Amino acid sequence: KQEVTQIPAALSVPEGENLVLNCSFTDSAIYNLQWFRQDPGKGLTSLLLIQSSQREQTSGRLNASLDKSSGRSTLYIAASQPGDSATYLCAPYNYGQNFVFGPGTRLSVLP
Amino acid sequence: EAQVTQNPRYLITVTGKKLTVTCSQNMNHEYMSWYRQDPGLGLRQIYYSMNVEVTDKGDVPEGYKVSRKEKRNFPLILESPSPNQTSLYFCASSIAGTANTEAFFGQGTRLTVV
Repeated sequence: KQEVTQIPAALSVPEGENLVLNCSFTDSAIYNLQWFRQDPGKGLTSLLLIQSSQREQTSGRLNASLDKSSGRSTLYIAASQPGDSATYLCAPYNYGQNFVFGPGTRLSVLP
Repeated sequence: EAQVTQNPRYLITVTGKKLTVTCSQNMNHEYMSWYRQDPGLGLRQIYYSMNVEVTDKGDVPEGYKVSRKEKRNFPLILESPSPNQTSLYFCASSIAGTANTEAFFGQGTRLTVV
């Protein structure tokens, strides 16, 4: 059964810093991995999806990498802004197990 | 616009009073699922459905029922709600089993059982 961990659990940084959020998963037989953002009490917004055959995916200031064989993904946020403050969740997708979510990294970017 | 719609967004009810949370998607997705999110426990899957008339238990199915009579709808039923079912609920849909499979989520239903 897929298990997902995310490090760090929480992160507080000054505006402008570059950040790395880490996600580890135990079952490498995944179709893809998706990164989500969640604002407090709100729904999940999809940020990036990396297919199992891809090494990385970029969207604006966000870059996600995937090392399927070692069960790791990282989300890189460049030049962080206060509006980036949210919880970031990773979710690898195994067919039959659907999406299994990590506990999230709570990010706070201070002005 | 592609979307997953949940109703209601907020609900306060009393213990034992049956309720249904509706979920509808307009993307012709085969796969639909329900999650609950609780502080410190993250998102946990309640039930999922691979297609019409095919449903299966997730990690925390006790106290919940679902049905999938049409492809677009996947209601979550609480026959006799209890306070420990107070939570934030999310419905999700996706196509099934490809590298492009992307999960789309509803906006959530905040349920309080008193």
